Amino acid sequence: GQQVMQIPQYQHVQEGEDFTTYCNSSTTLSNIQWYKQRPGGHPVFLIQLVKSGEVKKQKRLTFQFGEAKKNSSLHITATQTTDVGTYFCALLSTGGGNKLTFGTGTQLKVEL
Amino acid sequence: DAGVIQSPRHEVTEMGQEVTLRCKPISGHNSLFWYRQTMMRGLELLIYFNNNVPIDDSGMPEDRFSAKMPNASFSTLKIQPSEPRDSAVYFCASSYQRPNEQFFGPGTRLTVL
Repeated sequence: GQQVMQIPQYQHVQEGEDFTTYCNSSTTLSNIQWYKQRPGGHPVFLIQLVKSGEVKKQKRLTFQFGEAKKNSSLHITATQTTDVGTYFCALLSTGGGNKLTFGTGTQLKVEL
Repeated sequence: DAGVIQSPRHEVTEMGQEVTLRCKPISGHNSLFWYRQTMMRGLELLIYFNNNVPIDDSGMPEDRFSAKMPNASFSTLKIQPSEPRDSAVYFCASSYQRPNEQFFGPGTRLTVL
């Protein structure tokens, strides 16, 4: 099955610093989704990437899909305390179903 | 929209008891997913349904776990008998069709003593 490595596992930053999390797959992906889970909350969809080399932006968040469609990254510019949470990448199954395989997640803590 | 609804939000039970978790997906969604989240194992897919039919239950830990979806607006996840290692947060999610985003419910925090 698909294997999803997400690094780093934890990241502490000072407010205003940048943050990046990486998602790597052992297989070529059809698409990748990113989710955010606040402490004590549930995962919330952020974005979906489909095309090789695709870059999408949401305010301070930049999402990128690798050229070979085997990796992806999420970059946050000038972190704020509202960015605290765990960020997951999720890979859609290649078999035609709706199954998502979630990465291990990167837990972000932002200190004032 | 009410979003995905799960009940109960918290459940504390004793080992050996039967536990039933409930989920109401978003109206119009045709896929429903049950996940389990723990610190050790992360977010794991247990089972998912398309149009009320179980498609992939390879993530169901063992025979103590069962899931049903009798109609498009209701699903249950049952654990019988429960064990302390079943303690986790159980999420239900729904989506419309591939490859659309999944909408998660608030989760049920299960503690088995």
